[in-house]
Amino acid sequence: DGGITQSPKYLFRKEGQNVTLSCEQNLNHDAMYWYRQDPGQGLRLIYYSQIVNDFQKGDIAEGYSVSREKKESFPLTVTSAQKNPTAFYLCASSIASGRFTGELFFGEGSRLTVL
Amino acid sequence: RKEVEQDPGPFNVPEGATVAFNCTYSNSASQSFFWYRQDCRKEPKLLMSVYSSGNEDGRFTAQLNRASQYISLLIRDSKLSDSATYLCVVRWMDSSYKLIFGSGTRLLVRP
Repeated sequence: DGGITQSPKYLFRKEGQNVTLSCEQNLNHDAMYWYRQDPGQGLRLIYYSQIVNDFQKGDIAEGYSVSREKKESFPLTVTSAQKNPTAFYLCASSIASGRFTGELFFGEGSRLTVL
Repeated sequence: RKEVEQDPGPFNVPEGATVAFNCTYSNSASQSFFWYRQDCRKEPKLLMSVYSSGNEDGRFTAQLNRASQYISLLIRDSKLSDSATYLCVVRWMDSSYKLIFGSGTRLLVRP
């Protein structure tokens, strides 16, 4: 079955540590995204990538970094510079811009708690 | 002002009821509109797109009012399984990939 796999599902880290969240898709989608969701708030875009080896900052990129070395993979690193990293992180993918229908396919999410 | 605003609810309705949610958006240049559904502690999934003339998918009807800058979702004959958070999503005309998500309206359908 095609889909998006995020890992880990739950992650606990101490303040000041960098953490990397994995996102892999086998849908052959060109575009991939990282969103953050906090209680009572809508999803906010962290980074997105339209093609391998290229990515753009979203609305809340500060304290985060990404890479897109392979079409299937778009890992997110939450650095110690992110002031409030505890959140639900969602990775998504979609078909390319010219045919984008507005449908994002999401992974099951990663819950990061910083102690 | 938020770019996309929704009443957080919860809307608590009995099975079989009809319930409607509204969502307002601030950018008049918005191009596309969608409703996503998110179950508790799960990922969002596309429920339906919203077309200018309005559209229906089974018990769900979506409407768009560009003049007043709002979209609506009507659910008829509510089922227990409809309990979820419904996210209003807008795509700006000048940003092909960027979707703006509302914070969601929570629906609870009781027996």
